Amino acid sequence: GENVEQHPSTLSVQEGDSAVIKCTYSDSASNYFPWYKQELGKRPQLIIDIRSNVGEKKDQRIAVTLNKTAKHFSLHITETQPEDSAVYFCAAPMNSGYSTLTFGKGTMLLVSP
Amino acid sequence: NAGVTQTPKFQVLKTGQSMTLQCAQDMNHNSMYWYRQDPGMGLRLIYYSASEGTTDKGEVPNGYNVSRLNKREFSLRLESAAPSQTSVYFCASRASGIEQFFGPGTRLTVL
Repeated sequence: GENVEQHPSTLSVQEGDSAVIKCTYSDSASNYFPWYKQELGKRPQLIIDIRSNVGEKKDQRIAVTLNKTAKHFSLHITETQPEDSAVYFCAAPMNSGYSTLTFGKGTMLLVSP
Repeated sequence: NAGVTQTPKFQVLKTGQSMTLQCAQDMNHNSMYWYRQDPGMGLRLIYYSASEGTTDKGEVPNGYNVSRLNKREFSLRLESAAPSQTSVYFCASRASGIEQFFGPGTRLTVL
């Protein structure tokens, strides 16, 4: 099965700075990598994902990059705002296909005003 | 649409008691999932149901049972609760696409 490692476990930045969260995966056949955001006391929600046929995907202030050779992918948040404070989870397919996901252990991002 | 709903929101049990966590979705999704979330451990899959009438074990199934009652409902049962099962439980569903939609969670404490 897939193994996903996520770093760092906590990240503190000043408002306006950039934040980068990195994940590595073990199964070279994995081809879909979503990122979920979980605000305090709320449910996880998908914020962006990337498939293995592209190297980068952007959506306003967030972007995800994928390096298939090195088996790692990263979430980039630019111009951080206090409302970006949350726990972020990366994930990868647990087995072939998309039916189940293995999640990283999460990164708590704190953006200070 | 209510999306994915879970009941109860909070529950306190004593060791050895049993209970069932309920999950329902109104999005006509085929697949449903149960996860547990513990501090520093991320989301771990307990059981899932790829379609009505089928269920499969995930990473941490011991101590749990599930029932896919119909396409809308997927319940999680703890037959004899243990303190190690203290956690936040999330249900999720997925259509034919990739994105999983999560419910609001159930916070369970086992004393």
